Amino acid sequence: IQMTQSPSSLPASVGDRVTITCQASQDIRNYLNWYQQKPGKAPKLLIYDASNLGPGVPSRFSGSGSGTDFTFTISSLQPEDIATYYCQQYDNLPPTFGQGTKVEIK
Amino acid sequence: QVQVVQSGAEVRKPGASVKVSCKTSGYAFSDYYIQWVRQAPGQGLEWMAWINPKSGGTNAAQKFRARVTLTRDTSISTAYMELSRLRADDTAVYYCAVRGSSGDDWPFYFHEIDMWGQGTTVSVSS
Repeated sequence: IQMTQSPSSLPASVGDRVTITCQASQDIRNYLNWYQQKPGKAPKLLIYDASNLGPGVPSRFSGSGSGTDFTFTISSLQPEDIATYYCQQYDNLPPTFGQGTKVEIK
Repeated sequence: QVQVVQSGAEVRKPGASVKVSCKTSGYAFSDYYIQWVRQAPGQGLEWMAWINPKSGGTNAAQKFRARVTLTRDTSISTAYMELSRLRADDTAVYYCAVRGSSGDDWPFYFHEIDMWGQGTTVSVSS
């Protein structure tokens, strides 16, 4: 299954609402994760099952969607949110990731 | 708390093998799958394989199936990933991750834990 994320790069200001989309090449129901990866660090789970917040994840992060179209939102961008974000489907083997969205400070 | 610590960086020549370890603590090792994911320099994430520490069962992506061996030592809560016949394009950071209840047939459902190791850099060069 191909996962297509957009945009690939997202300049934004602190306090902005940031939205990333992820489209699956076929129906994946709601089996989608969103990960945050900072440079030189391992990915961190933010959202699982498309819309459930991971353990200890701040409520400014949210996810929605099902089937083939998904959205990830940061309601108010904070400086510590500068990172690359990946979606990942786990409905079919092999689980596949989107190509990533790099969120940068404008 | 759950901790996942991987072995250190490795340098290999093409054709050689590498074995990466993934030591866990803070939870019952046999209760969760161990996943392996890699990331080539400047690239995205690529899922490789999983092992069920309870049963020893494994599965790998088609492209790695002939070259990857997954094992575990439950006595020391450690999983291992060995990749053979290395090529230059195997140069990457290799991550292990704890995710999925070993009681489920599907190893990717979230069950309270999704924790990754710090990564192991494997460089393949002649």
